[in-house]
Amino acid sequence: TQLLEQSPQFLSIQEGENLTVYCNSSSVFSSLQWYRQEPGEGPVLLVTVVTGGEVKKLKRLTFQFGDARKDSSLHITAAQTGDTGLYLCAEGKLVFGKGTKLTVNP
Amino acid sequence: NAGVTQTPKFQVLKTGQSMTLQCAQDMNHNSMYWYRQDPGMGLRLIYYSASEGTTDKGEVPNGYNVSRLNKREFSLRLESAAPSQTSVYFCASSTRQGRFILYGYTFGSGTRLTVV
Repeated sequence: TQLLEQSPQFLSIQEGENLTVYCNSSSVFSSLQWYRQEPGEGPVLLVTVVTGGEVKKLKRLTFQFGDARKDSSLHITAAQTGDTGLYLCAEGKLVFGKGTKLTVNP
Repeated sequence: NAGVTQTPKFQVLKTGQSMTLQCAQDMNHNSMYWYRQDPGMGLRLIYYSASEGTTDKGEVPNGYNVSRLNKREFSLRLESAAPSQTSVYFCASSTRQGRFILYGYTFGSGTRLTVV
């Protein structure tokens, strides 16, 4: 079973700061998804990346997929309080990482 | 709105009681899943159904059974609830190609289950 390691586990920053969270595996990903989960809700899909080296942007969020397809990162520029949540990565074989809990303070 | 609907949203059971969690999707997805989410453990797959008429065990299937009633509905049954099954349960659906999920999951809003 492929294990997904997410780091950091917790991150608390001030509004306006930039941040990066990571998702790594010892095995090659078939595809990778990033989700955001708010308290009391199910995870919501942000992006799917498939090709090694791929970069996708979603407003202030930038997603990168490593060339070897074993790692991915999510970068948020000028974080807002609305970005607060649990960020999860998941690979195409039904496995989720444990997530990064992000708190953006006003 | 299109999506995944789970019922009930909250449930308290006594040890040994049984219950069925219901899930329905209206996105014409072929695959459906049940996950549980516990603090520090992340989302763990209980059972999944790659297509109508098939079901397979995930990482933590013990104590659960599932039924893929039709393409839209996938239920999870606890035959004899135990305190270790206290968790938040999520149903999800997706489009798959072979063993791989093409475009990610759509999740329901969860069922918060407490077994006392």
